[in-house]
Amino acid sequence: EDQVTQSPEALRLQEGESSSLNCSYTVSGLRGLFWYRQDPGKGPEFLFTLYSAGEEKEKERLKATLTKKESFLHITAPKPEDSATYLCAVRSEDSNYQLIWGAGTKLIIKP
Amino acid sequence: DTAVSQTPKYLVTQMGNDKSIKCEQNLGHDTMYWYKQDSKKFLKIMFSYNNKELIINETVPNRFSPKSPDKAHLNLHINSLELGDSAVYFCASSRRTAERGLASGANVLTFGAGSRLTVL
Repeated sequence: EDQVTQSPEALRLQEGESSSLNCSYTVSGLRGLFWYRQDPGKGPEFLFTLYSAGEEKEKERLKATLTKKESFLHITAPKPEDSATYLCAVRSEDSNYQLIWGAGTKLIIKP
Repeated sequence: DTAVSQTPKYLVTQMGNDKSIKCEQNLGHDTMYWYKQDSKKFLKIMFSYNNKELIINETVPNRFSPKSPDKAHLNLHINSLELGDSAVYFCASSRRTAERGLASGANVLTFGAGSRLTVL
C-alpha cells in the first residue's frame, strides 16, 4: 500500500537557523512528489514537483531534493514568514490521478 | 481575483441536517476535486470530476453527493449529517494529465480556502 510519512510532526527554529523536513514514501512506481505549504485557515499552496531521484528544485530559502525513498525540504536561514505546515504528497503508477498525502510538518520560526 | 472559491467558509449545523458547499474556479482547469482534511491534517480525496464527468469516487458514504453543472463548478451536498462529518472540506482544481513532461503546472492542484463544517 502506498504510504507517505513526514517528520518531524513539528519543528521550532530560531530565525536564521537552517534545517530540513523529511518526507519518506513507499510507492510502486513514483510518478511525482509534490511539496505544498499550508497557512492556518487556508488551502495548501503548491511549492515544488520532483520526478526523479537526484532532482532538486529551489525557491527563495527553500530547496527540495529527492532520492528513491525520501524527499527533503531544506530551509536556509528561515524567517518568521516561513512559518506554516509543509505537506508532501506522491503520485504512483497505481494511484493514477490520486495524490497520497502525508500529515505535514508544522514549522514555527521564532524571531 | 480568487482562483478557487468555495462557500461557505464556516458551517455549523445539527446532526441529521442536509447541507451544501459550493465551489467555483476561474483558472480554466478541466478537473476539480473535493478533499476532506481531518483533525490530524491528513488530506483525503473524496471525489474528482473531469469535464463534468466523475473520475474518482473514493469510499465515501453515499450521503455525500457531488454535482458538477459545468467544468468550472463542483458542489458537494451532504445528507443526514453525522458528528464524524465534522472536518475542513477543500475544493481544488487542476489541468488533468497522465503523463510527465507536459507544460509546467500540469497536475498541480490549486486549492480553495476550505469550508470548516461543524456538526453538533
